[in-house]
Amino acid sequence: SQTIHQWPATLVQPVGSPLSLECTVEGTSNPNLYWYRQAAGRGLQLLFYSVGIGQISSEVPQNLSASRPQDRQFILSSKKLLLSDSGFYLCAWSVVGQTQYFGPGTRLLVL
Amino acid sequence: GIQVEQSPPDLILQEGANSTLRCNFSDSVNNLQWFHQNPWGQLINLFYIPSGTKQNGRLSATTVATERYSLLYISSSQTTDSGVYFCAVEKNSGGSNYKLTFGKGTLLTVNP
Repeated sequence: SQTIHQWPATLVQPVGSPLSLECTVEGTSNPNLYWYRQAAGRGLQLLFYSVGIGQISSEVPQNLSASRPQDRQFILSSKKLLLSDSGFYLCAWSVVGQTQYFGPGTRLLVL
Repeated sequence: GIQVEQSPPDLILQEGANSTLRCNFSDSVNNLQWFHQNPWGQLINLFYIPSGTKQNGRLSATTVATERYSLLYISSSQTTDSGVYFCAVEKNSGGSNYKLTFGKGTLLTVNP
């Protein structure tokens, strides 16, 4: 069966520090991969998606970037964190035209 | 972009009660999913339902694509049903565009 992992689970970082969040998927090949952010409140916002290695589409101009160095690995990065980058970051995977499945998420607090 | 509106925004029930959550969307869709976010933040898939009706235990969902809405029914609610329920849609653009747009959710609280 397929599983999705995210780490770390929680992170507290100072403003201006770099960021690297990792997401890996097991049990499937060539998945579509996604990064979402859920800010205080409820809505989920799509940040990036990838349909293959090295292929990244950005949905929202921002302080973050994403990379997909391997088929089942998706990384969210920043060179310098802002206070507004705080939130709950969720990684998801899907096969085209089917259900998206979400990881457990990373809670990021920027101080 | 496509708009997704969920109602009600908040709902408080006594254990054992039934409820209906609604999701309206502004354009035709390829994909519609219902999720439950538990208190720990985990998003759990409930239904993949771009059209028609599905049932899973005490939960069922109906999507009327031609009228651009979907309903999630919860019967005999339990305290473990508490959390936020999200509707998310993928706009029909002639092919898969991969992007789910989420509504703002319904916060359900089930009291014992």
